[in-house]
Amino acid sequence: DAGVTQTPRHEVAEKGQTIILKCEPVSGHNDLFWYRQTKIQGLELLSYFRSKSLMEDGGAFKDRFKAEMLNSSFSTLKIQPTEPKDSAVYLCASSSGTANTEVFFGKGTRLTVV
Amino acid sequence: QQKVQQSPESLIVPEGGMASLNCTSSDRNVDYFWWYRQHSGKSPKMLMSIFSNGEKEEGRFTVHLNKASLHTSLHIRDSQPSDSALYLCAALNNAGAKLTFGGGTRLTVRP
Repeated sequence: DAGVTQTPRHEVAEKGQTIILKCEPVSGHNDLFWYRQTKIQGLELLSYFRSKSLMEDGGAFKDRFKAEMLNSSFSTLKIQPTEPKDSAVYLCASSSGTANTEVFFGKGTRLTVV
Repeated sequence: QQKVQQSPESLIVPEGGMASLNCTSSDRNVDYFWWYRQHSGKSPKMLMSIFSNGEKEEGRFTVHLNKASLHTSLHIRDSQPSDSALYLCAALNNAGAKLTFGGGTRLTVRP
């Protein structure tokens, strides 16, 4: 039984580049989340989808961050253009969508922008 | 905007000791709390959940919830070095499905 799959695990980008991170949620899950994790800010929500519809786009992350859910089993997070302050671990997570069920996280993508 | 505050930010306990971690939400509509554990270099994994007032015990881990004060605490007895990790508290209110996470407590258990 596959969990949440994220690719790539590591990404190094030059400032100004466009990068695309990928996520496959747990099969059958309706909710998908993108988080960014840094030591200083902790876990910050970037985007939240329910049944492929964008429910929340993370406010402050709107301008250079764009998440899409092309189908129920695949999502992408595009960062364009990248800046050094975007260096962080990006975590994708999914859940079944009922109120009291567990959210499962992927292993994350560590992004370094130089 | 809902905020989840965790304390302390970091905690060091000796092996075999008791670790106590705290979490409070500022959202009066929070219904559910989770505790996640994240070992270094790994993704967060759910440790325990609590939805009703009172206490819940699973092995060495006990979670308390006081809904009136929106406060939950996690207690780890007989702490082991393998318990060293970042502990994240998450809250869910009755209006939505997205979790709000606290900043975490970094626990170090010294052998």
